[in-house]
Amino acid sequence: EPEVTQTPSHQVTQMGQEVILRCVPISNHLYFYWYRQILGQKVEFLVSFYNNEISEKSEIFDDQFSVERPDGSNFTLKIRSTKLEDSAMYFCASSVARTSGNVPDTQYFGPGTRLTVL
Amino acid sequence: QKEVEQDPGPLSVPEGAIVSLNCTYSNSAFQYFMWYRQYSRKGPELLMYTYSSGNKEDGRFTAQVDKSSKYISLFIRDSQPSDSATYLCAMSDSYNTGNQFYFGTGTSLTVIP
Repeated sequence: EPEVTQTPSHQVTQMGQEVILRCVPISNHLYFYWYRQILGQKVEFLVSFYNNEISEKSEIFDDQFSVERPDGSNFTLKIRSTKLEDSAMYFCASSVARTSGNVPDTQYFGPGTRLTVL
Repeated sequence: QKEVEQDPGPLSVPEGAIVSLNCTYSNSAFQYFMWYRQYSRKGPELLMYTYSSGNKEDGRFTAQVDKSSKYISLFIRDSQPSDSATYLCAMSDSYNTGNQFYFGTGTSLTVIP
């Protein structure tokens, strides 16, 4: 069964450094998402991406963050100048479409990248 | 951000028990309600969804939505050790305003053989 994959599984970085988290969405999916989950807290939406553009973003997704689809398979989240509070599990998700009938289409999640900022 | 509230547990039940998991929410615009299951070191996996009010059954799982009380539930009948996971509720307002999902904190469930 096709899966969303993410690399690395765990990334440790120093405060102020840039990190790139990588995702390979399911191959026929067209919508891509990033979520984060700070330890002990809720899964939070960051951004959705379609047709090489951001379609929605939350207030968390500020200028520190950027997303890119550098080729036909990868979807990346870049965090510039990481802060301690960026430490979290970052989940990538993908869906075939935005909606299926009159409901949001199923989003398939990857296993996550645990980011630790020291 | 307190749009979706969920008791984090942990919840521990014997095998065969009926499990009830619940979430409350504050945004009356939510129309689409989901339950995700998350095993350790894995991403969330969609278990069930319901649109608007009512019940939905799938095997041992039943999802209920009470929009008047802003309360949703997931019932697991004849619980199995393989049901041990974290269960996350999630909601969305409508496809017209986007498919940003709002999650609860998750309830950790352990089913003891």
